[in-house]
Amino acid sequence: NAGVTQTPKFQVLKTGQSMTLQCAQDMNHNSMYWYRQDPGMGLRLIYYSASEGTTDKGEVPNGYNVSRLNKREFSLRLESAAPSQTSVYFCASGQGWSGYTFGSGTRLTVV
Amino acid sequence: AQKITQTQPGMFVQEKEAVTLDCTYDTSDQSYGLFWYKQPSSGEMIFLIYQGSYDEQNATEGRYSLNFQKARKSANLVISASQLGDSAMYFCAMRVPYTGTASKLTFGTGTRLQVTL
Repeated sequence: NAGVTQTPKFQVLKTGQSMTLQCAQDMNHNSMYWYRQDPGMGLRLIYYSASEGTTDKGEVPNGYNVSRLNKREFSLRLESAAPSQTSVYFCASGQGWSGYTFGSGTRLTVV
Repeated sequence: AQKITQTQPGMFVQEKEAVTLDCTYDTSDQSYGLFWYKQPSSGEMIFLIYQGSYDEQNATEGRYSLNFQKARKSANLVISASQLGDSAMYFCAMRVPYTGTASKLTFGTGTRLQVTL
């Protein structure tokens, strides 16, 4: 099915470990986004990419880096995980004024 | 700054009844879009309905309708004939121009709807 694919679905990390969350979309969208969802806070934008080759910070970028590898792929990296980064992470893509399409999410726990 | 406010943390509705989920927004942009998403317990984000700031008619999608009152800056979601499968978290969101060619989708904190027999 067309859409946004995120991997992994679940991950447990120890404090200080690093990891990369992968995201790929097959809808030919220019824009891609990474959000985190925490209880009672809705979804908050971490980073976004308006087009291939560009990335920019959102509301809560500290502790994260991103790479827009090509038009399809947008990865999120945690260089040194902290317990405060325990969250559900969503990748999304969009174009124009249509609604975003979201991936199924990654549930990350940092212990 | 853009802001979405959902003041109802939780709502109950009986099956087959209608329910309104409240959403107010704040933006200085003239051009914006308003969205509602559903998040069931499985966790995925499901797009329900969209209203553009210049649309004069309220949006409808099946049992979902968006009551758009621009002067009041409200965009309430109305679900008619509730079903047990409507039990989920519902998020209101607003899309505004961000920087360059990108737009930004800002979310409210959500309303958890529980449909009862």
